[in-house]
Amino acid sequence: NAGVMQNPRHLVRRRGQEARLRCSPMKGHSHVYWYRQLPEEGLKFMVYLQKENIIDESGMPKERFSAEFPKEGPSILRIQQVVRGDSAAYFCASSPQGADTEAFFGQGTRLTVV
Amino acid sequence: TQLLEQSPQFLSIQEGENLTVYCNSSSVFSSLQWYRQEPGEGPVLLVTVVTGGEVKKLKRLTFQFGDARKDSSLHITAAQPGDTGLYLCAGEPQGGSEKLVFGKGTKLTVNP
Repeated sequence: NAGVMQNPRHLVRRRGQEARLRCSPMKGHSHVYWYRQLPEEGLKFMVYLQKENIIDESGMPKERFSAEFPKEGPSILRIQQVVRGDSAAYFCASSPQGADTEAFFGQGTRLTVV
Repeated sequence: TQLLEQSPQFLSIQEGENLTVYCNSSSVFSSLQWYRQEPGEGPVLLVTVVTGGEVKKLKRLTFQFGDARKDSSLHITAAQPGDTGLYLCAGEPQGGSEKLVFGKGTKLTVNP
């Protein structure tokens, strides 16, 4: 059973470009969480999705950031018009139910904005 | 607002020493999890504690959940260089929306 797959592992974007980060949850998992991690910091919650629904996006910036988890295919975190401050590691986690079951993390996408 | 405070932030010890890492909050958590993260990798779940006062052991690691479910500790006995990493605690706030909130982590270095 493959784990949580994130791609790309590394992404370099120029300021003003768009970044698309993909997350394929573990088989049978219908809950996806996105977190952002700055160097030497813990993980900060961004958004929690179930299939086709955003459950909690309280940690996501109101502008330029969006997330989706379609019925078919991976979850996508989209950052429009990236700025240098968006440079970070973005981690996706999945669980079969809510967070009261164990969540498993992918290896992350490291976004660098130049 | 940082719901989970971890201490110490950095810890450097010699192989064979014991250590304790703390995770504290003024909030009550339905459950609390400990993760270990290595550079360039995602966090890996070590343990989940659910019941106040619960103690779980994983080889040389002992995890405790406070009676009031507001704090937790991780104790490592006879640390080894392979224990080096970033230790993160995470909890699901009681009555929350099922999202995990994370502490900033304790960066542990075990020197041979």
